[in-house]
Amino acid sequence: GENVEQHPSTLSVQEGDSAVIKCTYSDSASNYFPWYKQELGKGPQLIIDIRSNVGEKKDQRIAVTLNKTAKHFSLHITETQPEDSAVYFCAAPPYGNQGGKLIFGQGTELSVKP
Amino acid sequence: ETGVTQTPRHLVMGMTNKKSLKCEQHLGHNAMYWYKQSAKKPLELMFVYNFKEQTENNSVPSRFSPECPNSSHLFLHLHTLQPEDSALYLCASSQGARQETLAFFGQGTRLTVV
Repeated sequence: GENVEQHPSTLSVQEGDSAVIKCTYSDSASNYFPWYKQELGKGPQLIIDIRSNVGEKKDQRIAVTLNKTAKHFSLHITETQPEDSAVYFCAAPPYGNQGGKLIFGQGTELSVKP
Repeated sequence: ETGVTQTPRHLVMGMTNKKSLKCEQHLGHNAMYWYKQSAKKPLELMFVYNFKEQTENNSVPSRFSPECPNSSHLFLHLHTLQPEDSALYLCASSQGARQETLAFFGQGTRLTVV
């Protein structure tokens, strides 16, 4: 079955710096990779996703890259702000499973210091 | 707001109590899910429902009993829980069976078993 590994577990950056979170997956047939942001006391919020037919996707300060050959994908946050502080989760649905049946990474706690 | 509403937000119950968690989605989705989020662990899928029918039980103990009366509502009935069942219980929904469908989460119910 699918296995998702996420690194680092904690990340601290200065406001304005970039942050990068990396995930690897095991099921080569997975073709959809969402990222979720979870703030304290709230549920995970979908912030960006990427399909396997593209290598990169951007949405303002957030970008995700995918390397299918190496089976890894990354979240890039540029010009970080204190409100970016949260726990970020990568995920993948194993091939043949619906999008809500997700295998999650362990999470990265991002702290942006003003 | 993601369109997925969970109640209550917080619940404290004794090991001999019976309580229920409720989830309602206003997105017109056909699939609903229960996830468990414990400290220091990745989100764990518990149950999957498609068009009101349970399609997956991820080896969840019988003291957790889900119910899905229609595609918009999902319940998790709890009885004789253990302290280790204390966690954040998250409900999610998605459009259906396609892998690329987006999953949206509720805010969760923070459960404490005493």
